[in-house]
Amino acid sequence: DAGVIQSPRHEVTEMGQEVTLRCKPISGHNSLFWYRQTMMRGLELLIYFNNNVPIDDSGMPEDRFSAKMPNASFSTLKIQPSEPRDSAVYFCASSFTTSGLRIQYFGAGTRLSVL
Amino acid sequence: TQLLEQSPQFLSIQEGENLTVYCNSSSVFSSLQWYRQEPGEGPVLLVTVVTGGEVKKLKRLTFQFGDARKDSSLHITAAQPGDTGLYLCAGSRGTSYGKLTFGQGTILTVHP
Repeated sequence: DAGVIQSPRHEVTEMGQEVTLRCKPISGHNSLFWYRQTMMRGLELLIYFNNNVPIDDSGMPEDRFSAKMPNASFSTLKIQPSEPRDSAVYFCASSFTTSGLRIQYFGAGTRLSVL
Repeated sequence: TQLLEQSPQFLSIQEGENLTVYCNSSSVFSSLQWYRQEPGEGPVLLVTVVTGGEVKKLKRLTFQFGDARKDSSLHITAAQPGDTGLYLCAGSRGTSYGKLTFGQGTILTVHP
């Protein structure tokens, strides 16, 4: 398996532009998580889905952020309009259950720079 | 409010030294995981501990879960430059969806 695939790996955009980050989870995993990582705040959970349904979006910072999971093999995180403070590395992770435990597998991340 | 406090935040040591990283909380977790992250990559799971007092060993790495399941430690014996990276602890409250709360992380640098 190729693992969790995120695209693009790097994104540079100007303030006010729309940004869409994409994630393909590992086949067979039924939970998907979006995180944001910065030096100041560490790794923060933004939203997670189970069986394509959003379960908890309390970590989404503002209405400018939205996430969708139209099917089991694809999810997007959209920022509109983007602001410089959104600059961070965004990770997608997917998980399954083994022996009652959930193991999360992370993608390589998308490094977003908003100028 | 950070539910999981990791210490130290930064650790710079020489090859061959031993080190311990701590992960503390005032909350009880049903399980705790340790991840290692290298630059440009996502975190990779090292170990999961679920029982209070549990000790797990992974080569030169020893992981311990506190008796009250509120804290954990990671001990590395005879550190090597390949151990360099960001170490993250993450706690689960036992929800069926596997939501994790991450600590801030410890940046470890091992000099040859």
